[in-house]
Amino acid sequence: GQQLNQSPQSMFIQEGEDVSMNCTSSSIFNTWLWYKQDPGEGPVLLIALYKAGELTSNGRLTAQFGITRKDSFLNISASIPSDVGIYFCAGRGGAQKLVFGQGTRLTINP
Amino acid sequence: DTEVTQTPKHLVMGMTNKKSLKCEQHMGHRAMYWYKQKAKKPPELMFVYSYEKLSINESVPSRFSPECPNSSLLNLHLHALQPEDSALYLCASSQGVGGLVKGNEQFFGPGTRLTVL
Repeated sequence: GQQLNQSPQSMFIQEGEDVSMNCTSSSIFNTWLWYKQDPGEGPVLLIALYKAGELTSNGRLTAQFGITRKDSFLNISASIPSDVGIYFCAGRGGAQKLVFGQGTRLTINP
Repeated sequence: DTEVTQTPKHLVMGMTNKKSLKCEQHMGHRAMYWYKQKAKKPPELMFVYSYEKLSINESVPSRFSPECPNSSLLNLHLHALQPEDSALYLCASSQGVGGLVKGNEQFFGPGTRLTVL
């Protein structure tokens, strides 16, 4: 089946640093979603991308849909403590189904 | 109202118990989903309801029984669970059932943390 390879698996950064993570796939996706999950909570949708090459921002977050439609990245600028959590990329894996990456766990040292 | 709510927040049950998880949304969404999430893993799809009818069952064991009483409510009935069923159970909803297009993103609830003893 379709799989999303998300990297890095974990990141340990200092507060104020910029963060970059990405997702790649061996098959084409027509949609990319980025979710953030806090411990013990459900994933929260951050950004949705629908067109190849699309660059979308949400505050300090910026995400891009790769031209090949096989990758996407998420950048966080000037990280703050509340950015801590697990970030998941997701794409359509079939009608009504989401395929998730394995997640990037972000830890911030104050 | 842009929320998906789930109750209870936490549930501890024995292997012989019967319990139910509840999910509610008032966004007028016509598709609702149950996911299971183990620690440090992404959510795994269990069931999908479209227009109150079960459209996808990802080969989930029969000890999990979903129910959609109306377009706003989704239940997951639990019976004779095993300790390995302990996980975070997430409910999600989306506007329609036409696939992942703009305006049809899935929104998740906060989850129920289930522990089976």
